[in-house]
Amino acid sequence: EPEVTQTPSHQVTQMGQEVILRCVPISNHLYFYWYRQILGQKVEFLVSFYNNEISEKSEIFDDQFSVERPDGSNFTLKIRSTKLEDSAMYFCASSALEGLEQFFGPGTRLTVL
Amino acid sequence: RKEVEQDPGPFNVPEGATVAFNCTYSNSASQSFFWYRQDCRKEPKLLMSVYSSGNEDGRFTAQLNRASQYISLLIRDSKLSDSATYLCVVNGGSGNTGKLIFGQGTTLQVKP
Repeated sequence: EPEVTQTPSHQVTQMGQEVILRCVPISNHLYFYWYRQILGQKVEFLVSFYNNEISEKSEIFDDQFSVERPDGSNFTLKIRSTKLEDSAMYFCASSALEGLEQFFGPGTRLTVL
Repeated sequence: RKEVEQDPGPFNVPEGATVAFNCTYSNSASQSFFWYRQDCRKEPKLLMSVYSSGNEDGRFTAQLNRASQYISLLIRDSKLSDSATYLCVVNGGSGNTGKLIFGQGTTLQVKP
C-alpha cells in the first residue's frame, strides 16, 4: 500500500538554525500539506501546496517558513531561523484531489534547544 | 465557539462495549468530514470519511447532521486495539478547500 514517508524521524537543532524537513508524498497525489502538533495539543494546519505553489497558509506559516517541491517526488518544509516554540511534531500529508482524504506521513519530531 | 469541538474523555470501557463519540463544528460551509485515529506520538490515520447519509465500516458507524453541525462515531464490540485518540476533522473554509481543522481528540481506553 502506498504511503507518505518523512525524514528525518527526529531532528534536534539549536535556536536560530535552519532546518529542512523532507517528505515523499504518495506518488499519484497532487495536493500536499504540512501540519504540526505541539506536544499535548491538537494537530494544526500550516500550508497546502498544489501545482508548484502555495494554495493556502495559516497564520503560523510566517516568513520563517517556506515549502518547495524541488523534484518530482520530494516536498520540503524549511524553517529559516528556528525558535524554541517551533518544537513540535511536523506531519506531511497528501491527497489525490482537494477535499478528499489526506494521508499522513509518520512525522518528524523537531526539538529546538 | 471552537472550530471543531470534542469531548476529550477519557472514555474507559470494557471489551465488547459500544461507545459513541460526538463532535460539533462551527463552519457551516465545510464540505468534507472525517474521523481519524491517532495512537500515542504517531501520525493521524484515516478511519473513515463521513457522508450525509451516514456510513458504516465494519464495527464503525459515522453520522453527519449538517443542520446541527454535528458528527458522531459509534464503535460496536470494542477491542483492546481500539484504544487510541479519535480525531474529528473538518475541512476549513468554503467549498472543498484542502485545509483540515482538527478537534482536540477523544481518548478511548478499552480494558479487558
